[in-house]
Amino acid sequence: DAKTTQPTSMDCAEGRAANLPCNHSTISGNEYVYWYRQIHSQGPQYIIHGLKNNETNEMASLIITEDRKSSTLILPHATLRDTAVYYCIVRVGTGGFKTIFGAGTRLFVKA
Amino acid sequence: DVKVTQSSRYLVKRTGEKVFLECVQDMDHENMFWYRQDPGLGLRLIYFSYDVKMKEKGDIPEGYSVSREKKERFSLILESASTNQTSMYLCASSHRGLVRPQHFGDGTRLSIL
Repeated sequence: DAKTTQPTSMDCAEGRAANLPCNHSTISGNEYVYWYRQIHSQGPQYIIHGLKNNETNEMASLIITEDRKSSTLILPHATLRDTAVYYCIVRVGTGGFKTIFGAGTRLFVKA
Repeated sequence: DVKVTQSSRYLVKRTGEKVFLECVQDMDHENMFWYRQDPGLGLRLIYFSYDVKMKEKGDIPEGYSVSREKKERFSLILESASTNQTSMYLCASSHRGLVRPQHFGDGTRLSIL
């Protein structure tokens, strides 16, 4: 699975959009981009995933660049409860169950 | 919503004990997984199962075994617990189809003394 690079931490004001970047320059054609988050003392929570088109659900939007070498997770109106570690991972959609979470981005939403 | 339930949030055991961690999911998922999470190492896959009575080794299976007798239940067994198995253990499940996202339980923080 391709390696991802994320900033260590980010701050966001409550009510504003939180934009979390992820670099995956070595992504291959059959690898999907997944985002999870982990709130303190809880298990990881699935947020969204995509292959090459932008995706949106009730939690967030995922913007993938045309060359697929980077993506951005957007939380449109961040709340204090969105404070968590956010993990971007890429995973082959047609083989392998291994899911490796790296260090992620620690997002602090401030009042 | 998918519910993945792990039997204990916190567990303390002694070196050499046989330890059982239980996981139950209520969404009829075919795939189930056991991970451990350690600071600086992220999540590492121990074992997974894609069907009843089927199991596959993950990245770090040594010292562990698993059991899946029913579709909804996946057990992780530490045959003879050691201090280096002190960790957060996370269970996950997903539908068949490798694109499907995994859904996680809240974890069991296991301490081996």
